Amino acid sequence: SQQGEEDPQALSIQEGENATMNCSYKTSINNLQWYRQNSGRGLVHLILIRSNEREKHSGRLRVTLDTSKKSSSLLITASRAADTASYFCATDWTGANSKLTFGKGITLSVRP
Amino acid sequence: NAGVTQTPKFQVLKTGQSMTLQCAQDMNHNSMYWYRQDPGMGLRLIYYSASEGTTDKGEVPNGYNVSRLNKREFSLRLESAAPSQTSVYFCALARGLATNEKLFFGSGTQLSVL
Repeated sequence: SQQGEEDPQALSIQEGENATMNCSYKTSINNLQWYRQNSGRGLVHLILIRSNEREKHSGRLRVTLDTSKKSSSLLITASRAADTASYFCATDWTGANSKLTFGKGITLSVRP
Repeated sequence: NAGVTQTPKFQVLKTGQSMTLQCAQDMNHNSMYWYRQDPGMGLRLIYYSASEGTTDKGEVPNGYNVSRLNKREFSLRLESAAPSQTSVYFCALARGLATNEKLFFGSGTQLSVL
C-alpha cells in the first residue's frame, strides 16, 4: 500500500498546548497534504507541502517534510477546543496516473 | 463544504437493492472523485474522473459504476448493494486535470446496507 501512516493514532492535549502529529510514507512523492475532518463532516484541506520544500506555515499550522526519512509532521500551536477533529495526511506519490492516498487519520482531542 | 453537493445524506438499503449517489459542483473544477471512508481504513478511492466523459478505476472499484455526463455532475451507482458497502461516501473535486492539488470534499453520504 502507498498509504501514509499517521502517528499517534489518538492525541489528547490541554487547550493552549501544542499538538504534533506525524506521517510516514513509503515511496517518493510529489507533494504531501494535511486535511482536517470534524465529526460528521467532509475533509477540509489544511496545507500542501511539495517534495522540494522543507517547511511551510499557515496561521497556527507548521508543516515539515523530510524526504530522506520519508516523513512529515504537522504542528498546531496554541491549540483550541475547536481544533478537536481527525487529521489525515495524504500523499501524492510519483508514478504513472497516481492519485492522492490517505492515511487512517489521527484523532485529536483538545480539552478546554 | 460550499460548492460540492452530495445527495442523499443518509440511505438505508437492503442487500441486493440498487441506488445512485449524486454529486454536483459549482466550482468549475475538472477532476471529480468518489471515496469511501470506513473506520480504521482511512479514505479509499473508488473511481475518479479527470474530465467530462472520462472515468477511471481507483483502489476499490468492484461493485460500483460511475457516470460523468457533464462537468458539474459525477454519480456513483451501486447495482446490487452488499453489506460490505456500508460506509460513508465522499465526493471530492480538484481543479486540475492531472495534478494532485488540494481536494474539496462534499459533506458525505452515510450508507447502510442491511
